[in-house]
Amino acid sequence: GQQVMQIPQYQHVQEGEDFTTYCNSSTTLSNIQWYKQRPGGHPVFLIQLVKSGEVKKQKRLTFQFGEAKKNSSLHITATQTTDVGTYFCAGGDSNYQLIWGAGTKLIIKP
Amino acid sequence: GAVVSQHPSWVICKSGTSVKIECRSLDFQATTMFWYRQFPKQSLMLMATSNEGSKATYEQGVEKDKFLINHASLTLSTLTVTSAHPEDSSFYICSAAIPRGADTQYFGPGTRLTVL
Repeated sequence: GQQVMQIPQYQHVQEGEDFTTYCNSSTTLSNIQWYKQRPGGHPVFLIQLVKSGEVKKQKRLTFQFGEAKKNSSLHITATQTTDVGTYFCAGGDSNYQLIWGAGTKLIIKP
Repeated sequence: GAVVSQHPSWVICKSGTSVKIECRSLDFQATTMFWYRQFPKQSLMLMATSNEGSKATYEQGVEKDKFLINHASLTLSTLTVTSAHPEDSSFYICSAAIPRGADTQYFGPGTRLTVL
């Protein structure tokens, strides 16, 4: 079946370093959504990308959707302690269902 | 591993009828399952937390008599929307938590409910 692979599973960074998580789909997606889950919390919607090659920015966060609409990335510049959490991608398929990545847990080293 | 399925993937029903949505963890046992509701481009709104063998814990503002949750086994939780109305039309997503950590959730693909 359709799958979205998300890597890495964990990422340890020093505060101030950059962070990137990647998602790759086995099939072409209609859109890709990104969510952030703080420890003990539930996923919060960050953004949705729809167009091939689309790039969107939210302050220190940069989201990309690949040309083939099969891959996406989230890049955080100069991480802060408030960025700690698990970042999920979820690909929308042709039936408008979501195919979730397993999440990347961002851990900030003191 | 860690696959969660939902059934049906979409459903259209008449106002006043009841709809049951199933959430299954296919290759692991989930002691806790969560039910969410999502509107387009919005965050997942937690409706209830379902623990196997006990009553579900509902979030404030969610009617437990309208959204019936049953967690009959470690691999199955069901959400029944009773006497559905058009305002119940939404995208419903479940997730299952692996016992090793409540923060480790695996999400189902969602069920799109349209009430006419």
